[in-house]
Amino acid sequence: NAGVTQTPKFQVLKTGQSMTLQCAQDMNHEYMSWYRQDPGMGLRLIHYSVGAGITDQGEVPNGYNVSRSTTEDFPLRLLSAAPSQTSVYFCASGLGGELFFGEGSRLTVL
Amino acid sequence: AQSVTQLDSQVPVFEEAPVELRCNYSSSVSVYLFWYVQYPNQGLQLLLKYLSGSTLVKGINGFEAEFNKSQTSFHLRKPSVHISDTAEYFCAVSEDSNYQLIWGAGTKLIIKP
Repeated sequence: NAGVTQTPKFQVLKTGQSMTLQCAQDMNHEYMSWYRQDPGMGLRLIHYSVGAGITDQGEVPNGYNVSRSTTEDFPLRLLSAAPSQTSVYFCASGLGGELFFGEGSRLTVL
Repeated sequence: AQSVTQLDSQVPVFEEAPVELRCNYSSSVSVYLFWYVQYPNQGLQLLLKYLSGSTLVKGINGFEAEFNKSQTSFHLRKPSVHISDTAEYFCAVSEDSNYQLIWGAGTKLIIKP
């Protein structure tokens, strides 16, 4: 029972580098989203998708890109990493308000 | 704008004592309310939710929450906590049928032996 799978779990980048955080779900959920979690700030929505081919911006989209070519996959791309993007990133999929989260990807940008 | 306030960033409590984690929201329309729990180094998981009906909602692990519309609150309670309840608890609110969630900042529950 995989649920939501995120890779990698840990990543260290240098300023200006790009990378992709992968997210896959096997529950056939139409809704998927990416959050970042920073101490004392709770969860902030970066981008979300309500189905294949449909994406939209959340609260903090700058510096991030997403695409949704299949129901299962929702990768998050950092275009040019900055130290302010050091955070823990969570992918979630859901149905009717219940979100299922991955275990998180801890990203450090030096 | 819609917002969610969790009044306490940390709540220390002795094992087997009762606990209440507070959540208030600002909204003038009907809302859907959620509590999620995050155990150390894990993702979040749903604890309980209020969509409609009875204002007292029971969730997993013995937790319950009461929706109070007049006070715009959705406080989380447990009559007797265990060391395994050590976690961060997040309140979330949605106004729309797509259930786009607005999150509180979280409350860390610290269980003292």
